[in-house]
Formats: sequence, C-alpha cells, structure tokens
Amino acid sequence: EAGVAQSPRYKIIEKRQSVAFWCNPISGHATLYWYQQILGQGPKLLIQFQNNGVVDDSQLPKDRFSAERLKGVDSTLKIQPAKLEDSAVYLCASSPQGHYGYTFGSGTRLTVV
Amino acid sequence: KQEVTQIPAALSVPEGENLVLNCSFTDSAIYNLQWFRQDPGKGLTSLLLIQSSQREQTSGRLNASLDKSSGRSTLYIAASQPGDSATYLCAVPVGGGADGLTFGKGTHLIIQP
Repeated sequence: EAGVAQSPRYKIIEKRQSVAFWCNPISGHATLYWYQQILGQGPKLLIQFQNNGVVDDSQLPKDRFSAERLKGVDSTLKIQPAKLEDSAVYLCASSPQGHYGYTFGSGTRLTVV
Repeated sequence: KQEVTQIPAALSVPEGENLVLNCSFTDSAIYNLQWFRQDPGKGLTSLLLIQSSQREQTSGRLNASLDKSSGRSTLYIAASQPGDSATYLCAVPVGGGADGLTFGKGTHLIIQP
C-alpha cells in the first residue's frame, strides 16, 4: 500500500511571499488532515477534511492560510503572505475512518527567511 | 481546551533497560489515546491505540496503559534497543466529534549501544 505523499520536501521562501504544499492521501481514505509542527513541539492540527468537506478548521489562521481538497482526494495547503513564525514542518495525514489506520506523510519543511 | 503533557522531555538509557514514558491530559472525556513514534526527518508512525474502555494495549515489546479518571497514560518499552531511539508522542482526540488529534511535545529517547 502506497503511503501518504507530500511535496515539496523542502521549501525556503522570503517573508511576505506565498507558498503551497500538496498532499496525496492513501487511496480510499476519506479523512485528510493538515498539521503544523514547529521545532521542539508536537504537531498541531490545522484542518480536517471528510471527503471534500471541512470538518474542523478552528485552528487554521484563516487570514493567511487556506486549504482545499478537490474531488475528495488530493489536497493543497497555501500560505499567503508567509511570516517568519510559519517556519515549521507541515504534515499531511489520512485515515479511512476515525483514528484507526492514521497514516502520516513525511512532511514539507518550510523555512521563512 | 485539551492539553497534553509528556514527561520526561528527553531520556538517555543504556541498551537492554526497561523504560517508562509518561503522558497526561487535562480533559478525561476522551474516547481513545494513541502513541506515535517519530524518526528524524520523517512523519509519525502509529504504535498503539487504546480505546477508552481498555486499560492496556500491547504490541511486541511495547505496552501502553490508560487511566482515564486520572488523565494519564504510560508507554512501557521492554528490553530497549538502539533502534528504539526516536521521539515518542502521545495524542488524544481534539473533541467535539472531530477526529483530529492534540499532541504532547514528545519524549526524545536515546538508547545507547
């Protein structure tokens, strides 16, 4: 079974620029999550999708972050404009249902300079 | 708001020792708790998931316990090996019917050969 795919692996941008991350979940997984992991911290949930609908985006900074999941499969997370404090690893995860089979991708490491 | 705390933040032990990692959470109204492992530069791997109705869950040399009433969980690693070196994170559901997770900061474990 193929894992959760994320790209790019690394990204360096200047503050105030925009950036987008892509995630392809495990085939058949209805639920997709984006997490932000700042160095030395545990992952923090940004948004949860169920198929192509948003279930929880209460911790997403909506003034600069946006996410979509077209056709209930792939997802993109965008930051515009980026701030220095957005430097983190952005992890995508998917699950078939509930918490069983929760699978993470390797993440995108973003550095904002 | 659910908060998860992990103690110790870091641990270094010689190979072969048995060890215990601790996790506490502030809201005991959880329906499960999950332990993950994170290797440097990689995503998270689910190790054990304990349902709220369970007291323990075992997988190989790993044993996780859950005491909902006191808001605590422990991860016991028997006969530690250098390959167990990683960061171990515990996580509980964010609540409100969503499947996102709230994580602790993790315990960084080093097993000395």
